Amino acid sequence: AQSVTQLDSQVPVFEEAPVELRCNYSSSVSVYLFWYVQYPNQGLQLLLKYLSGSTLVKGINGFEAEFNKSQTSFHLRKPSVHISDTAEYFCAVLYTGGFKTIFGAGTRLFVKA
Amino acid sequence: GAVVSQHPSWVICKSGTSVKIECRSLDFQATTMFWYRQFPKQSLMLMATSNEGSKATYEQGVEKDKFLINHASLTLSTLTVTSAHPEDSSFYICSANRDLSTDTQYFGPGTRLTVL
Repeated sequence: AQSVTQLDSQVPVFEEAPVELRCNYSSSVSVYLFWYVQYPNQGLQLLLKYLSGSTLVKGINGFEAEFNKSQTSFHLRKPSVHISDTAEYFCAVLYTGGFKTIFGAGTRLFVKA
Repeated sequence: GAVVSQHPSWVICKSGTSVKIECRSLDFQATTMFWYRQFPKQSLMLMATSNEGSKATYEQGVEKDKFLINHASLTLSTLTVTSAHPEDSSFYICSANRDLSTDTQYFGPGTRLTVL
């Protein structure tokens, strides 16, 4: 079965430190990959996406992610986080030819002063 | 661009009543809209896929008679929770594919439903 795994349910980090949120998916067939951010009581906002081309994708708010096909991963990184980055982050996968996007369980990023 | 709105943003109702939630694409046509349910501190659970002009496709385990979905136009889909019970209390989020694109979903801000 197709699945998306976010290995860390919570990631605490100090302000201005780098962070990596991990995401792995279950199949190596052709995929589209996404990272979304959700602030409390709000919908999801697209951070970045990989459809094709360069495996390093840059998104909003200084985030970037790298698609690694051999490891079926799409980890999200930011070199220096801010307090305002505290939120829930969801990795999502759409298998090309399919129709449904599959979401990971989410990772809560908590940035401490 | 690619703005999706939901109305209401929150609603409280009595057990046994029905509640309608609207999802609108404000600046694009959405052939396909999706309805999700999210429990506290959990991921999104896809409830159904709504296609304009046709019946919605429900995920396994979702009662289609309880969660009525109508996608009457290219900019509006509605979710009606019929005979609501306290266990239906949740955060409901809709999303839409822009125009004929099938990759990126654009999400509404969500609706918090509380059933007393």
